[in-house]
Amino acid sequence: QVHLVESGGGVAQPGGSLRLSCEASGFTFNKNAMHWVRQAPGKGLEWVAVISYDGTKKHTADSVKGRFSISRDNSQNTIYLQMDSLRPEDTAVYYCARDPGNYDWLLNFESWGQGTLVSVSS
Amino acid sequence: DIQMTQSPSSLSASAGDSVTITCRASQSISHYLNWYQQQPGKAPKLLIFGASNLHRGVPSRFSGSGSGTDFTLTISGLQPEDFATYYCQQSFFNFPLTFGGGTKVQI
Repeated sequence: QVHLVESGGGVAQPGGSLRLSCEASGFTFNKNAMHWVRQAPGKGLEWVAVISYDGTKKHTADSVKGRFSISRDNSQNTIYLQMDSLRPEDTAVYYCARDPGNYDWLLNFESWGQGTLVSVSS
Repeated sequence: DIQMTQSPSSLSASAGDSVTITCRASQSISHYLNWYQQQPGKAPKLLIFGASNLHRGVPSRFSGSGSGTDFTLTISGLQPEDFATYYCQQSFFNFPLTFGGGTKVQI
């Protein structure tokens, strides 16, 4: 059974940094691309970033490009989202999600973690 | 970017009703359209992928159809647990991946 657990959320000041983690279990982690998706309070879903199964390919949304970076450690079954130069509009619940493709991405979100809340405020 | 437009943004229905939600893409996305359900305070769940394929474990009262730019999600015989918000999402190998604005199904 796929299990994804996010951590690292909290309160940060504008201009500050946070690093989110997502630990995976229940599947062969190094076969699947992984995503970050966020949801601002009371708002809809926004895709943030994807990383390929081996970490060689990455894409990020324009809204976070140059500020956020996605990475993974397949030896630890974990992906990360390094968030720098945080802005109040980055306040959201951040979910990690598993892409169902094996050794390729299908670009949908088959399984989700429970989310971690990031609040950016002075 | 591919824009996804859902309608309606909310609807009221009763248990046992059938409802249809529409999603329109700003350009053709073939069948690369997925639907998610999000209950309050919970993470979204994948319902349908590839426009019409039911994700494992999803009840058969959910169905999806469409291709190109116009898609629908139908729930036949609403159950109490179906009152939630539904999102469409395009996966047309074109970044950024984008979601519709959501449709809240309420009593």
